[in-house]
Formats: sequence, structure tokens, C-alpha cells
Amino acid sequence: AQSVTQPDIHITVSEGASLELRCNYSYGATPYLFWYVQSPGQGLQLLLKYFSGDTLVQGIKGFEAEFKRSQSSFNLRKPSVHWSDAAEYFCAVVPYNTDKLIFGTGTRLQVFP
Amino acid sequence: DTEVTQTPKHLVMGMTNKKSLKCEQHMGHRAMYWYKQKAKKPPELMFVYSYEKLSINESVPSRFSPECPNSSLLNLHLHALQPEDSALYLCASSQGYFGEQYFGPGTRLTVT
Repeated sequence: AQSVTQPDIHITVSEGASLELRCNYSYGATPYLFWYVQSPGQGLQLLLKYFSGDTLVQGIKGFEAEFKRSQSSFNLRKPSVHWSDAAEYFCAVVPYNTDKLIFGTGTRLQVFP
Repeated sequence: DTEVTQTPKHLVMGMTNKKSLKCEQHMGHRAMYWYKQKAKKPPELMFVYSYEKLSINESVPSRFSPECPNSSLLNLHLHALQPEDSALYLCASSQGYFGEQYFGPGTRLTVT
């Protein structure tokens, strides 16, 4: 079945530590890939996107993501987490030839000082 | 500017009321979307408008009625809602097919 999977529901890291949030997708053709962040009670902010080309994409707020076709993954990384990064992170895809944005279940990031 | 605005920020309504949510974007985007988000869940697509025409309706109950008066505005008319319709309603817009969507801050709706 076509899906977007974020295996980690909740991740806790210390401020200054590195971060990797996992995302896997299951679609026949490589979809367009996105990461969004949502602070409590707020809308979603686009962190970065992958359409084609260089498989390592840079986003806002110091985030980057790597597309790995062989693993059907698009993991989000940040080398040093700040307390303000605490939020809900959604991986999302737009499947080929559709106009729908399909979200993963989200990963809640908690940052300890 | 990648701003999508939504009004009101909060709305409390009774089950017999009629109210409307409003969304506006001035980025020249050709597609606009309504999503519903329950607590601790991802957004769920409700409607898509493309070039001011309804292109996707995700089997949403008729008590939700979308309207796109022009290319910059999107409304969601609410009537006879149920308490389970309480949620954060998000509006988004995008330039075109496969393009990234930009979200507004949402309207927190409570149905009493």
C-alpha cells in the first residue's frame, strides 16, 4: 500500500546534540518529498523539499535531508539542536501525477537543556 | 512573501450556528487547500481548489461547504456542525502541481 512512515513517534535529545528524524515512503514512482515543522497550535512551516537532482538538500533553520532512492528514505538531520527546535515534524509526499500532499504520522521532538 | 492568512484565529460555535472561515494568499498561487487537523494527528485533506474550481473533495460531509470567490480567497462555510468537528482548520496554497504548499496559522474551531 502507498504510505509515508515516520517510525519514531517521540524523540528526546539534549540541546547541542545532533538529530536525525526518519522518513520512509512506499510509492511506485519517486514522489516529491517535503519536511514540515509545526509548533503547538500553529500552522505548518516548510523546512525543505526534494524534487530531483542533488540528493542532499539544505533547508531553513540549519536542517538538511538526504534522499536515498535505494532505501525509499528521506531523513531529516541537524548537527546541533536548539531548544527552539522542539516541535512536531511531518514528512510529506506528493505522489507522482497527483495534487495531494500526504503526511506521515509525525515525530514529536523534545529538547532538554 | 510566502504568507497565507486565516481568520478568525479561534472560533466557538454551537451546533445550530452558521459561520465561515476565511483564507487569503497574495502569492499568485493557482491552488488552495483546506485541511482538518485533530490533536496529535497529521493534517487531513478536505478540499482542493485549482484555478478557482473545486478539483478534489475528500468525501467531506455537506455541513462543510467550500467557496473560492477569486484566486486569492478561500472560504469554508460551516453549518450544523458536530462536536467531533472541533479541530484546527488549516488553509494552504501552492503554485502548481507537485509544488510545495504554504500553510496559514489555522483556525482553532470548537463546536459546543
